[in-house]
Amino acid sequence: NAGVTQTPKFQVLKTGQSMTLQCAQDMNHEYMSWYRQDPGMGLRLIHYSVGAGITDQGEVPNGYNVSRSTTEDFPLRLLSAAPSQTSVYFCASSYRGTTQYFGPGTRLTVL
Amino acid sequence: AQTVTQSQPEMSVQEAETVTLSCTYDTSESDYYLFWYKQPPSRQMILVIRQEAYKQQNATENRFSVNFQKAAKSFSLKISDSQLGDAAMYFCAYRRANFGNEKLTFGTGTRLTIIP
Repeated sequence: NAGVTQTPKFQVLKTGQSMTLQCAQDMNHEYMSWYRQDPGMGLRLIHYSVGAGITDQGEVPNGYNVSRSTTEDFPLRLLSAAPSQTSVYFCASSYRGTTQYFGPGTRLTVL
Repeated sequence: AQTVTQSQPEMSVQEAETVTLSCTYDTSESDYYLFWYKQPPSRQMILVIRQEAYKQQNATENRFSVNFQKAAKSFSLKISDSQLGDAAMYFCAYRRANFGNEKLTFGTGTRLTIIP
């Protein structure tokens, strides 16, 4: 098993550009989520999904969009990047209340 | 809303000694889970230990153990025989127990330095 994978590992964007952060898991986990990590603030939930076709907002959803067409994939889209979205992004997955496993993270810089 | 507080931004310990990291949380729920995650410089979030609130016995994983005080809403992590590889950020996290709402609420972290 590859576990939870994220691409890319690093990305630099200009203000106003859009992009998609990819997340995939091969553990047949129902639950997937996206967090962002900012200095001094811990990790905060952006969006989550409890299964294919079902998504919901977390604590800081503005400026981000998600969809879940398959169990394996949960991409995060930045619609129009802003400097405030400079952060490290983590994807996580779990199965029915068990421990969440995290991907390696994507460091995003918006200039 | 649930909150998690880690009041020690930084801690240091001599190699082979014992260190305790503090965590307090606020919740009105009776059933929940608590976690300690380790984040080394590689940035990977690694689960260290997990505690179910309904269990009175404190969780242990090798050199890592917790002191779970439900009434006081306290959840500290003790690392025994500290090793250089233990140097990392440590995050305390809370999650409600019901399926479908598996949001993790994190504290702001404690940076642990191991002194050789």
